[in-house]
Amino acid sequence: GESVGLHLPTLSVQEGDNSIINCAYSNSASDYFIWYKQESGKGPQFIIDIRSNMDKRQGQRVTVLLNKTVKHLSLQIAATQPGDSAVYFCAEKYTGNQFYFGTGTSLTVIP
Amino acid sequence: GAVVSQHPSWVICKSGTSVKIECRSLDFQATTMFWYRQFPKQSLMLMATSNEGSKATYEQGVEKDKFLINHASLTLSTLTVTSAHPEDSSFYICSARAPGDRVYGYTFGSGTRLTVV
Repeated sequence: GESVGLHLPTLSVQEGDNSIINCAYSNSASDYFIWYKQESGKGPQFIIDIRSNMDKRQGQRVTVLLNKTVKHLSLQIAATQPGDSAVYFCAEKYTGNQFYFGTGTSLTVIP
Repeated sequence: GAVVSQHPSWVICKSGTSVKIECRSLDFQATTMFWYRQFPKQSLMLMATSNEGSKATYEQGVEKDKFLINHASLTLSTLTVTSAHPEDSSFYICSARAPGDRVYGYTFGSGTRLTVV
């Protein structure tokens, strides 16, 4: 399938600052996106989702932005905490019920 | 919340042997489960879709005779890595759609780390 990639493989932020993690997707037929968080040695955990008919969705401390014009997805984490340190993946759905994952960004929060 | 359980969480096997990994949905039924593999510092790659009562659907490039999937009940899917080789060493993760999950969001298991020596 087409690839979903991330601009930055690693990101370090100071505790309390906001984090922005980016994702580029290439399949214009993708209609649903999810951001997942994965801690070392564990399975991914759902963070937030967004449908292709939306351009913004907010959750608790997290916001996902979707720009279909440039096929770009971002995850914003407000007031980043040490517990936010993990690898973040975006995943897209463009066929059936399967999800295809992006490369991943490793977020490190500096106390 | 809903839980997807994988067993074992870690397995070491000798080259040439077969290893079975179980994925169970606890307290809910899952007609469809998904199997992923993940190499260190890399993303999750979808291997196959496991369908209860029917054959699994494999992604392009995944050898179905190498990675046998059985979904014999609504709460259990198994992945058997046959004649394992060191290059099969990876983190294998399953997922299922639990009641209450987002429309297309799924709950993931905790993963199985396979090391073939």
